[in-house]
Amino acid sequence: DAGVIQSPRHEVTEMGQEVTLRCKPISGHDYLFWYRQTMMRGLELLIYFNNNVPIDDSGMPEDRFSAKMPNASFSTLKIQPSEPRDSAVYFCASSWGTGGNEQFFGPGTRLTVL
Amino acid sequence: GENVEQHPSTLSVQEGDSAVIKCTYSDSASNYFPWYKQELGKRPQLIIDIRSNVGEKKDQRIAVTLNKTAKHFSLHITETQPEDSAVYFCAASRGDYKLSFGAGTTVTVRA
Repeated sequence: DAGVIQSPRHEVTEMGQEVTLRCKPISGHDYLFWYRQTMMRGLELLIYFNNNVPIDDSGMPEDRFSAKMPNASFSTLKIQPSEPRDSAVYFCASSWGTGGNEQFFGPGTRLTVL
Repeated sequence: GENVEQHPSTLSVQEGDSAVIKCTYSDSASNYFPWYKQELGKRPQLIIDIRSNVGEKKDQRIAVTLNKTAKHFSLHITETQPEDSAVYFCAASRGDYKLSFGAGTTVTVRA
């Protein structure tokens, strides 16, 4: 298995633009997580899904952020409109619902909002 | 919600010495405690984990201990090597798969 796949790996955009980050979890995993990592706030859980259903979105910073999981092999995190303070590394992770809680992280998307 | 505190924030050790990182958690219902290692520019990767029914777990040079009464757990790295230099994160979960991470410890192993 290729592991968790994220795209793009790097994104540079201007304030006010829409940004869409993409994630493909490991096949067979039924949990998917979106994290944001910054120096100031560390690793923050934004939202997680179980069987494509959002379970907890309490970490989503504001209405500008939205996430979807239309099927078991694809998820998106959208920021609209983007702001400079959204600059961070965004990680997607996936795990099995049974057999342990290990979360496998993707390589991350480094977002820079100018 | 769960609050995980991690100390120290930075740790410098001589190669061959031991390194210890400590974490405390607030939610007594937490029952799963993983440790992740993140090398510069890379993704976090699980290195060891422990569940609340176990007090200690070892895997070669790394070990984790858990004190449920005091609500703290620790990572021990023995015979440190240059490749152990990284940021280490502790985390806690109450079994709902939602991990709360500590702020991280930057470990530097001096040759």
